[in-house]
Amino acid sequence: AQTVTQSQPEMSVQEAETVTLSCTYDTSENNYYLFWYKQPPSRQMILVIRQEAYKQQNATENRFSVNFQKAAKSFSLKISDSQLGDTAMYFCAFSGNTPLVFGKGTRLSVIA
Amino acid sequence: KAGVTQTPRYLIKTRGQQVTLSCSPISGHRSVSWYQQTPGQGLQFLFEYFSETQRNKGNFPGRFSGRQFSNSRSEMNVSTLELGDSALYLCASSLTGTGNYEQYFGPGTRLTVT
Repeated sequence: AQTVTQSQPEMSVQEAETVTLSCTYDTSENNYYLFWYKQPPSRQMILVIRQEAYKQQNATENRFSVNFQKAAKSFSLKISDSQLGDTAMYFCAFSGNTPLVFGKGTRLSVIA
Repeated sequence: KAGVTQTPRYLIKTRGQQVTLSCSPISGHRSVSWYQQTPGQGLQFLFEYFSETQRNKGNFPGRFSGRQFSNSRSEMNVSTLELGDSALYLCASSLTGTGNYEQYFGPGTRLTVT
């Protein structure tokens, strides 16, 4: 069974700084997708960024980028120029031949 | 385009009762998945419906059931409620639900069992 591990339960970052959230996963599949979801205090889960495993190029969405290391089964999220609105729970998720499997989440606080 | 909607948003029930939660997916989306979110267990997959058929099921007891209608709207039912069923129940929809599981989540239903 696939597992997703987020080793940092909580993190904080100063506004305008850069922060990296870690995620590792375990799978025997070769074709899969990885996602980072954001859940602000209002509870609406929002997709931040996605990565197809067959693509070597790391995905980027504005201030959000990933470092995808397929061999190491690592999928970290980098947030540049952190903003107060980035304060949220961040979930790493895996999808292969099965429904989404989520990590436990990292609570990120952006401090003014 | 309207997002995923869930009703009700908040619910308080007593142990032993049953409850039905509703989810309306984004127009055109045929796959609806349900998740249970608790502080201790995190996000756990309940089941997925696609074109009115349950396609995947998580590791939950038979008290948890669901269905999907021809308009893709979905309901989940929990019978004989237990205190441990208190959670945020999230519904997510996607276009096809296959392979690329880019899912769009609703705001959730907060269920409290007393």
